[in-house]
Amino acid sequence: ETGVTQSPTHLIKTRGQQVTLRCSSQSGHNTVSWYQQALGQGPQFIFQYYREEENGRGNFPPRFSGLQFPNYSSELNVNALELDDSALYLCASSFRGSVTQETQYFGPGTRLLVL
Amino acid sequence: EDKVVQSPLSLVVHEGDTVTLNCSYEVTNFRSLLWYKQEKKAPTFLFMLTSSGIEKKSGRLSSILDKKELFSILNITATQTGDSAIYLCAVTKNTGNQFYFGTGTSLTVIP
Repeated sequence: ETGVTQSPTHLIKTRGQQVTLRCSSQSGHNTVSWYQQALGQGPQFIFQYYREEENGRGNFPPRFSGLQFPNYSSELNVNALELDDSALYLCASSFRGSVTQETQYFGPGTRLLVL
Repeated sequence: EDKVVQSPLSLVVHEGDTVTLNCSYEVTNFRSLLWYKQEKKAPTFLFMLTSSGIEKKSGRLSSILDKKELFSILNITATQTGDSAIYLCAVTKNTGNQFYFGTGTSLTVIP
């Protein structure tokens, strides 16, 4: 196990609702990245947080937003849920130094179903 | 557009067989290539490759990177049923922080 935890494990929402997913990073890690993995696809990068600021964003609309807290844990918020948002949401933590960034370690994911 | 392509998409082999999974990439400013194994949910880290021609090995798994031809292979020898999983390849760039994943190869090892 990597030490990255996510909650909840599963979630069912309806279209138009809002959802908040949570991630606790591995001890010693200061960077959190969020990914969306649709069935049969590889993970797609949503965004990354470093020092409590968004530090890179993939091709996702603004209704996907996030936060990173001083203890490096993070939240992913999705507003106005759509059916296509149904996916496994993965959080990955890593350590980013001044010149290096180590590999990312993934949490178990949150399975979101939008009806 | 940055692209990571894995092949085959799926593979079924018998225990004891040797398999080779492929990952090709087209990205600007390449930094590293990583392999992950995904069994149920969380992808677990296998290898990170940054230099061409240097094989990384862990037990029955090994991987190598060719930066000239822009691909990597993951070899699994003497496969076991526990190797059944989706194997993901990801590439990172020197600019930006995201990982670019392929769609994965689904490996099924039958007894």
